Amino acid sequence: GAGVSQSPSNKVTEKGKDVELRCDPISGHTALYWYRQRLGQGLEFLIYFQGNSAPDKSGLPSDRFSAERTGESVSTLTIQRTQQEDSAVYLCASSLTSGANTGELFFGEGSRLTVL
Amino acid sequence: AQKVTQAQTEISVVEKEDVTLDCVYETRDTTYYLFWYKQPPSGELVFLIRRNSFDEQNEISGRYSWNFQKSTSSFNFTITASQVVDSAVYFCALSEASGANNLFFGTGTRLTVIP
Repeated sequence: GAGVSQSPSNKVTEKGKDVELRCDPISGHTALYWYRQRLGQGLEFLIYFQGNSAPDKSGLPSDRFSAERTGESVSTLTIQRTQQEDSAVYLCASSLTSGANTGELFFGEGSRLTVL
Repeated sequence: AQKVTQAQTEISVVEKEDVTLDCVYETRDTTYYLFWYKQPPSGELVFLIRRNSFDEQNEISGRYSWNFQKSTSSFNFTITASQVVDSAVYFCALSEASGANNLFFGTGTRLTVIP
């Protein structure tokens, strides 16, 4: 499809396991964002990628969280040694222009992570 | 510090009624941007509007209208003649020129339109 694609859509894991979430942005979109949405909460910024520039990691909550993106393609968000408080929906968004304030972000449907 | 407050957690209206969703923001920047996003049950956020801090003109798009008032730091969203398809969670968000990579989201307002 033409939108932002995320996988898996649902992931249930045991506490202590590592998980990897994938985001396929819209082709041609240089900017990519990861957000976390806990139940009944707003979105929390995690990380931002812009082209080949160094990512803005200022929103990552701990060193258990990391993300990668090669060029303007797929991104993966990795959570190591998952904890129950990591349970949330992880949303990916991409944008044609750089910076969240310059225009529209296109969001995927999210990956729902449940840590037992 | 920047902050977005959506005091209304849930609102229910009967179809065809008008409804206003409130958004109050805080920022120290003089240049900033305000947004509204809609999150239907599918989960995918949909962009509705973006306004910059220098443009206080109210905007109307079909049944949707937005009232931006810097004096009260508010950016309220009104849906007229609501429809069942308007049922969703609506998020207000703020982006500052000084922190351009991030959108600060409110906690959202869940709107239910009853047929």
